[in-house]
Amino acid sequence: DIVMTQTPLSSPVTLGQPASISCRSSQSLVHSDGNTYLSWLQQRPGQPPRLLINKISNRLSGVPDRFSGSGAGTDFTLKISRVEAEDVGVYYCMQSTQSMWTFGQGTKVEIE
Amino acid sequence: EVQLVESGGALVQPGGSLRLSCAASGFSFRTYWMSWVRQAPGKGLECVANIKSDGSQEYYVDSVKGRFTISRDNAKNSLYLQMNSLRAEDTAMYYCARPGSYWAFDYWGQGTLVTVSS
Repeated sequence: DIVMTQTPLSSPVTLGQPASISCRSSQSLVHSDGNTYLSWLQQRPGQPPRLLINKISNRLSGVPDRFSGSGAGTDFTLKISRVEAEDVGVYYCMQSTQSMWTFGQGTKVEIE
Repeated sequence: EVQLVESGGALVQPGGSLRLSCAASGFSFRTYWMSWVRQAPGKGLECVANIKSDGSQEYYVDSVKGRFTISRDNAKNSLYLQMNSLRAEDTAMYYCARPGSYWAFDYWGQGTLVTVSS
């Protein structure tokens, strides 16, 4: 299985400041069809996960534009341009290029 | 509105069995792959099993192979997870999730809690 490694595991952030989460895969996530199946999810306390971004950088409808995804191959990044209080939670990257699909360990974003 | 509602979670003894259900509504269930994703208390997410839209293909994480079986009834818009030979390490919240565009999980249920303990 592909191993997904996120850094940092914890990210204290001041309100209004940016945050960045890195996600690295143990092998390339480029599928034989040419697509890269890397997504980002947010899990607020006590809630199921919520999809923010698919295919590296496609933001889902209703997701604030302060969230952005980038990367290629094995290295990916989620950025929050200006952290708001509602952004507190755990963020996961996930690969669905190769079965079984796997998640990163999660990065906890909290307000300092 | 897409809805996924899980049920069937319970406290069960090690070695026991449990069957989870997920009732889907608001979308064409028979055209989507479906998955079970679990989360142990205070831990991260793990995709446990996937099933093709017509039920003809199933995939499992190594830790549950031979013990868990995913299935579906498209006539009833329902997804199932039969869990046998349960172990303490299977204790988790189990979510029903839909892989949507680009195979990303775009809809999740609220989860059902499975606790394996004597």
